[in-house]
Amino acid sequence: RKEVEQDPGPFNVPEGATVAFNCTYSNSASQSFFWYRQDCRKEPKLLMSVYSSGNEDGRFTAQLNRASQYISLLIRDSKLSDSATYLCVVNRATGFQKLVFGTGTRLLVSP
Amino acid sequence: DGGITQSPKYLFRKEGQNVTLSCEQNLNHDAMYWYRQDPGQGLRLIYYSQIVNDFQKGDIAEGYSVSREKKESFPLTVTSAQKNPTAFYLCASSIKINTEAFFGQGTRLTVV
Repeated sequence: RKEVEQDPGPFNVPEGATVAFNCTYSNSASQSFFWYRQDCRKEPKLLMSVYSSGNEDGRFTAQLNRASQYISLLIRDSKLSDSATYLCVVNRATGFQKLVFGTGTRLLVSP
Repeated sequence: DGGITQSPKYLFRKEGQNVTLSCEQNLNHDAMYWYRQDPGQGLRLIYYSQIVNDFQKGDIAEGYSVSREKKESFPLTVTSAQKNPTAFYLCASSIKINTEAFFGQGTRLTVV
């Protein structure tokens, strides 16, 4: 089982739609969770950290479910500019500690 | 402006050559990282450094070397021992190890 798994997509949605991505992780000891956004041929950029109590930033909401070991990202009122790949990132809290990146979920927002 | 600067943006290497990718940060971050990204794949950790004069191998360190002589700088050398060096190389830094990481714009290395 991969340490971090994401549905690669693509998710094709119209402008204004609400879309949600899930990401599962295998290490129950993980403590830090993040969502990054990566545009084509660009560097990843931090979108938001994910806290136990959830986190909301404008149209973006991130949730953590420790019992089921997944994190989610909800995007409301999608914009064309939201088209990108969204990377789920989890820290490996045991053994060789590092940030583990998922392969990303691609979102395409159309007019 | 504060940030992470990678250079060059594009780099072409002949087979058998060593090349060095530059990474500089002025964020006063202790930790720095080098990742490699191949098409359709996630980021893979090459090397990381938690503090000046210290660095550790990541998952795919073979064929690469680094140094951390200054807090601001973490150059990566891609040696001739790296069999498939063509990739997108990303440098990142964070305040402490495994906290939010911030990335440079990347270097695209192509072997010709």
